[in-house]
Amino acid sequence: NAGVTQTPKFQVLKTGQSMTLQCAQDMNHNSMYWYRQDPGMGLRLIYYSASEGTTDKGEVPNGYNVSRLNKREFSLRLESAAPSQTSVYFCASSGWTSNTEAFFGQGTRLTVV
Amino acid sequence: AQSVTQPDIHITVSEGASLELRCNYSYGATPYLFWYVQSPGQGLQLLLKYFSGDTLVQGIKGFEAEFKRSQSSFNLRKPSVHWSDAAEYFCAVGAGAAGNKLTFGGGTRVLVKP
Repeated sequence: NAGVTQTPKFQVLKTGQSMTLQCAQDMNHNSMYWYRQDPGMGLRLIYYSASEGTTDKGEVPNGYNVSRLNKREFSLRLESAAPSQTSVYFCASSGWTSNTEAFFGQGTRLTVV
Repeated sequence: AQSVTQPDIHITVSEGASLELRCNYSYGATPYLFWYVQSPGQGLQLLLKYFSGDTLVQGIKGFEAEFKRSQSSFNLRKPSVHWSDAAEYFCAVGAGAAGNKLTFGGGTRVLVKP
């Protein structure tokens, strides 16, 4: 039962470097999400994809891009990393309707120095 | 836009004592409400959810929550806490015409004393 799988689990970047966080789900969910978690702020939505072929901005999209590669995979890209992007990133997936729960990956801890 | 407030950042409780975590939400329509738990270094696990119907909902690990529309609250309770309940708890409200975009509260960290 893999559920939602994120890679990598840990990453250290230098300011200005780029990287892509990968996420895959095996639950045949239509919708996928990227959140960031910062102390005292809970999780905040960066981008989401309601269905394959669509992506939309969430609450904190600046500095990020996403790609919904297919129904299973949803990647998050940092083009030019900044220290303010140091955070724990969570990918999640859910069914199509608003009354379905979201399932979360284990997270990626990213440090930008 | 919706918002969620968890007024307590930290709560310390003795093992075997009862626990109540507060959650207040702001949302224009009937909310979809969730409580998630996060153990250190782990992802989030759903404890329970409220969509409609009975305002007292039961979840996993002996947790329950009560939806009170008049108070815009969805407080989480457990009658007797176990040491393994030490974790961070997040309340969230869901919205969206498709999928389920969640807005989270800031979280409450629970410490359990022996």
